[in-house]
Amino acid sequence: GAVVSQHPSRVICKSGTSVKIECRSLDFQATTMFWYRQFPKQSLMLMATSNEGSKATYEQGVEKDKFLINHASLTLSTLTVTSAHPEDSSFYICSARPADLAEKLFFGSGTQLSVL
Amino acid sequence: GENVEQHPSTLSVQEGDSAVIKCTYSDSASNYFPWYKQELGKGPQLIIDIRSNVGEKKDQRIAVTLNKTAKHFSLHITETQPEDSAVYFCAATHYGGSQGNLIFGKGTKLSVKP
Repeated sequence: GAVVSQHPSRVICKSGTSVKIECRSLDFQATTMFWYRQFPKQSLMLMATSNEGSKATYEQGVEKDKFLINHASLTLSTLTVTSAHPEDSSFYICSARPADLAEKLFFGSGTQLSVL
Repeated sequence: GENVEQHPSTLSVQEGDSAVIKCTYSDSASNYFPWYKQELGKGPQLIIDIRSNVGEKKDQRIAVTLNKTAKHFSLHITETQPEDSAVYFCAATHYGGSQGNLIFGKGTKLSVKP
């Protein structure tokens, strides 16, 4: 399957600071990437859809000024959690859909964010 | 919008036995149904998927069946092994539609006892 690389895998930060998470498609181009959030023992919750070269589409209830998404190239999307607070602590996962594999969606390894 | 229900939430089987996880969906326009395996602290891994024009698909010990009329699909794992222990998620989407994002079930924690 296609490989999606996500970094960092784990980050601990102080309240009020910003954290950037990178998502890269290693062996394919992805015009669309998705960002999810997952709480312990729960399912994946879609936060936003990231489109290369355009603004991200955010799901209802997700603050776009809080969670900044940039999809500057066909292989890289970034999620920046701005002015992080303890309630932002969660597991964040990105995913990407290769253009030549139709509907298949592949996920990164996730980033565990802990805000102190 | 689409809604996906998944059962059971937990499943414990003996090594070598079969495991079955069932999901139902609400949107008859959904046409793609993947299954993901997620190990602790990792991202979901696509293990098998099925399109709406197919009733069954098999890959070694894993199979998925789809009943479009009843709007439900199931994951079957035969000859389970301890390394099959993980959380499994079903999902549905209308690929080619306006959204295209996956709607996930709530997950099933599978434990395979040696």
